[in-house]
Amino acid sequence: QVQLVQSGAEVKKPGASVKVSCKASGYIFSSFDINWVRQATGQGLEWMGWMNPNSGNTGYAQKFQGRVTMTRNTSISTAYMELSSLRSEDTAVYYCTRRGNRGYGEFDNWGQGTLVTVSS
Amino acid sequence: DIQMTQSPSSLSASVGDRVTITCRTSQSINNFLNWYQEKPGKAPKLLIYGASNLQSGVPSRFSGSGSGTDFTLTITSLEPEDFATYYCQQTYSTPPNTFGQGTKLEIK
Repeated sequence: QVQLVQSGAEVKKPGASVKVSCKASGYIFSSFDINWVRQATGQGLEWMGWMNPNSGNTGYAQKFQGRVTMTRNTSISTAYMELSSLRSEDTAVYYCTRRGNRGYGEFDNWGQGTLVTVSS
Repeated sequence: DIQMTQSPSSLSASVGDRVTITCRTSQSINNFLNWYQEKPGKAPKLLIYGASNLQSGVPSRFSGSGSGTDFTLTITSLEPEDFATYYCQQTYSTPPNTFGQGTKLEIK
């Protein structure tokens, strides 16, 4: 079955960077885009960007342009999301998701989430 | 960017009730509208894609409808496990993939 398994919780200081990994299994990793979505405590879902694991092409939400980088290692079916210049407002659960192939851009599988806490 | 207006923001209902959640977009998105369910401490789960298509494994008491700018998620005969937060998402005009603000469905 399809699984996306993310790396563990992180605690970072303001100004630092964090890199979250997302290991895919149960399907051909290069065939489906990976998107990243975050959720601050008590808040809604916020889309951050996407990556095509085959080409490495990416697209980022304007809010995160210049601070986020999405990469992958196809040999180990793993996607990465790195967010730099962290501030307290970046404290959130970060999810990787797979965009499905039904033609509607749906996010059909999600990782379990990674809590990133930014605190001095 | 396309704006999403989801309503209500919260809703109280009883087991067995029928509930409807609405999502309105600032411009037509055809049927590029998806619905997700989120429970505390868990990742969101895809319920409906393409406005009205039930994701595999999702109970048939969930249904979606609409096209253009107005969409609804309906749950007929609420079960205890349905109390959760629901989000709509448009994928017509991306980036960004915009989510609605969420609807928290609580037990009355």
